[in-house]
Amino acid sequence: DVVMTQSPLSLPVTLGQPASISCRSSQSLVYSDGNTYLNWFQQRPGQSPRRLIYRASNRDSGVPDRFSGSGSGTDFTLKISRVEAEDVGVYYCMQAIYWPGTFGQGTKVEIK
Amino acid sequence: EVQLVESGGDLVQPGGSLRLSCTVSEFTFSNYWMTWVRQAPGKGLEWVGSIKEDGTEKYYVDSVKGRFTISRDNTKNSLYLQMNSLRAEDTAVYYCARGRTGTYWGQGTLVTVSS
Repeated sequence: DVVMTQSPLSLPVTLGQPASISCRSSQSLVYSDGNTYLNWFQQRPGQSPRRLIYRASNRDSGVPDRFSGSGSGTDFTLKISRVEAEDVGVYYCMQAIYWPGTFGQGTKVEIK
Repeated sequence: EVQLVESGGDLVQPGGSLRLSCTVSEFTFSNYWMTWVRQAPGKGLEWVGSIKEDGTEKYYVDSVKGRFTISRDNTKNSLYLQMNSLRAEDTAVYYCARGRTGTYWGQGTLVTVSS
């Protein structure tokens, strides 16, 4: 199975400051069509997960532009340019190119 | 607005069976892969399995192979997860999600396996 490794697992951030989460996959997520199939999800406390980013760098509809995704191959990053209170929660990377799909362990973002 | 609504979660004894349902609306169900994801209490997300638009391909995580079966009824806009030989470690909130990459998710349904 493809292993997804996130770091850090806990991220205390000051409001208004940037935050960055890393995700590394054990195999390349570049598909034969040239696209990179890496997704980022946000799970706020008590809520269902919500996809933020697909194909490594594309924001889903309604996602604030302070969220951005980057990376290729096996190394990816989710950045929040200025953390707001509503960004508290757990963030997961996920791949679904290879079966079974796999998630990272999750990164808990909290306000200092 | 796209909606996915799971149902069927319950308390069940080890070795028992349960069938979860996911009913969707406001999108053409038959055009999408569908996925089940679970989350044990206080833990992270675990991909359970996916089914192709027409039901001809299904994939599962190793821990549920041979015990869980995903199916769908495109005439009823419904996705199913038949769970047999349940174990304590299957205790989780089960989510259905649209597509292989989870564009939209339901609210989840809780399955508790305990004697």
